[in-house]
Amino acid sequence: GAVVSQHPSWVICKSGTSVKIECRSLDFQATTMFWYRQFPKQSLMLMATSNEGSKATYEQGVEKDKFLINHASLTLSTLTVTSAHPEDSSFYICSAGRPVQETQYFGPGTRLLVL
Amino acid sequence: DAKTTQPNSMESNEEEPVHLPCNHSTISGTDYIHWYRQLPSQGPEYVIHGLTSNVNNRMASLAIAEDRKSSTLILHRATLRDAAVYYCILKGSRSGGGADGLTFGKGTHLIIQP
Repeated sequence: GAVVSQHPSWVICKSGTSVKIECRSLDFQATTMFWYRQFPKQSLMLMATSNEGSKATYEQGVEKDKFLINHASLTLSTLTVTSAHPEDSSFYICSAGRPVQETQYFGPGTRLLVL
Repeated sequence: DAKTTQPNSMESNEEEPVHLPCNHSTISGTDYIHWYRQLPSQGPEYVIHGLTSNVNNRMASLAIAEDRKSSTLILHRATLRDAAVYYCILKGSRSGGGADGLTFGKGTHLIIQP
């Protein structure tokens, strides 16, 4: 199966700082990538759809100015959590889709802890 | 997307078959049935998907009811590494699994006893 990587795998930061998470599709070009967030003992929640070369599409209730998404190439999407606060502590997971295959490939996730 | 209903948890013994049910009574004619699983502290991984006919792959089998209002994921011989949360997700053929984000329900927490 296709491989999607994320970096870093975990990060601890102070409240008020910004954190950037990278998502890469390693063996195929992804015009669309997705960002999810998962709180402890809860299911994944779609945050936004990242489109190569255009603006991201955010789900209802997700602040676009707080969660900046950039999809500069067909293999890289980044999520920047700006002015992070403890309530932003979560497991962030990206995925990339191959439309013709009807499946998505998920990264291993990034665990963010904001102190 | 149409809603799915799964048991919160199931328990099985190692090396025995496991049948994970999913109800989707409001499924539309073009919805594909997808299964993903999430091992502890990892991102989800694709398991299998189908439309009408039963499907088999190296990981599992998918049995789809004739009226398509329910389906069952079958792990033929469970191992401890199969302990995970299993999600049953419907996606329309319009978008396919790769073009739209997925809506995850609570899934079924599968516990495997040695």
